[in-house]
Amino acid sequence: KAGVTQTPRYLIKTRGQQVTLSCSPISGHRSVSWYQQTPGQGLQFLFEYFSETQRNKGNFPGRFSGRQFSNSRSEMNVSTLELGDSALYLCASSEGAQGVFHEQYFGPGTRLTVT
Amino acid sequence: AQKITQTQPGMFVQEKEAVTLDCTYDTSDPSYGLFWYKQPSSGEMIFLIYQGSYDQQNATEGRYSLNFQKARKSANLVISASQLGDSAMYFCAMREGDNYGQNFVFGPGTRLSVLP
Repeated sequence: KAGVTQTPRYLIKTRGQQVTLSCSPISGHRSVSWYQQTPGQGLQFLFEYFSETQRNKGNFPGRFSGRQFSNSRSEMNVSTLELGDSALYLCASSEGAQGVFHEQYFGPGTRLTVT
Repeated sequence: AQKITQTQPGMFVQEKEAVTLDCTYDTSDPSYGLFWYKQPSSGEMIFLIYQGSYDQQNATEGRYSLNFQKARKSANLVISASQLGDSAMYFCAMREGDNYGQNFVFGPGTRLSVLP
């Protein structure tokens, strides 16, 4: 099975711009979660999508949004970029079935630099 | 309050020796899952091992084992026979409840360096 893929791998943007990151989960996985990783804050949960619905959300401003398509692929969007948004953005997929704990499988991440 | 605590920012271990990475957690939910992930310098998170709160036995996966002490709320990762390739950041994570609406919470991580 192919792993989780994320595109692009690296991105440089300017303050005020917006950016869209893409994630393709492992085939058959219906849950996709997004995380922001920075040296100062560590790994922070952004949101989780399951069957095209956001079912969990972290404590991030509304500039951060996401969506999931019918094929489980997911995108996250950050509008009006700030310098502090520079981070490694990780996507993770899991089977996501209710009532069962499933491990998450992570993609390689997208490293976003805001200048 | 911190839900996951990893008190060792950095650890050194000699190649071929065993090492224990500490993790304590905080939850009032009787149902939860504990996970360990490895993050090499390449950045990708690699799933290592899982322990459920109702599991009677400690989880093992090859050279990895989880020392689960429920009453103490600790879930330490033991790596036996360390290899140079084990040098990485290690994260302990927890997911609470048996409902779908609970997200993963990660600890701050421990950087393990294996010395030749």
